[in-house]
Amino acid sequence: GAVVSQHPSRVICKSGTSVKIECRSLDFQATTMFWYRQFPKQSLMLMATSNEGSKATYEQGVEKDKFLINHASLTLSTLTVTSAHPEDSSFYICSAREASTNEKLFFGSGTQLSVL
Amino acid sequence: RKEVEQDPGPFNVPEGATVAFNCTYSNSASQSFFWYRQDCRKEPKLLMSVYSSGNEDGRFTAQLNRASQYISLLIRDSKLSDSATYLCVVNRQNQKVTFGTGTKLQVIP
Repeated sequence: GAVVSQHPSRVICKSGTSVKIECRSLDFQATTMFWYRQFPKQSLMLMATSNEGSKATYEQGVEKDKFLINHASLTLSTLTVTSAHPEDSSFYICSAREASTNEKLFFGSGTQLSVL
Repeated sequence: RKEVEQDPGPFNVPEGATVAFNCTYSNSASQSFFWYRQDCRKEPKLLMSVYSSGNEDGRFTAQLNRASQYISLLIRDSKLSDSATYLCVVNRQNQKVTFGTGTKLQVIP
C-alpha cells in the first residue's frame, strides 16, 4: 500500500517554542492531506484539510494562526505549532488521500508532542 | 446529529466469538466507505473498503446498506490480536473525510 512518512515521531519542547511536523507521501501524489489531533483515550479530531498550492481549511475551533499548515508540493505538507503551550500536548497524525485508489486514506505514524 | 456515528463500546468478547459493529452516516451523498483499525497510540491502518455488494477478507466481512445508511463489520473467530479500536470512515469525493469516534474491541482469553 501507499506510504506516508511523518517526522518527527516524538517531540519534547519548552512552552513558547514552535514545533514543525512534516508529512510526506512517499510513492504517490497527495493533492489533499489532513491533519488530526488525538488526546488520550479520545477519538481522532480533524484539525484541518490541506490542499496543495492553496490555503488550508480549518475546522471550527482550530486557530489557524496557531497551527500553520503549508502544502507547497504534491508530496509534502507541514504543520507548525506556534508558541506551543502544555495544553497543545497531544498526538498529531497526518493522512493523505490517494485519488487513484477510491479515495483511501493513508496515515503517517504520528507525532507525540509534549510541551513542558 | 453527527455525520458518522458508532457505538464506542467497549465490546468485550471471548476468543473465538463472532462480533459485529455498525456505523451509521447521515449524508446520503457519501460515496466511499472504509473500516480502519487503530491500536493504542498508533496511527489508523486501513482494514478494508466497504462495498454495496459486501466484501470479505478472511475472518472479516464488511457490508454497506445505502438505503438505511449504515455500514457493518463482522469479525469471526475473534483473536486476542483483534483487540483494537475500529474506525468507520465515510468519504464524499473531493471533500473532507469523516471519521466515526471508533468502537473499542477487547478480546478476552
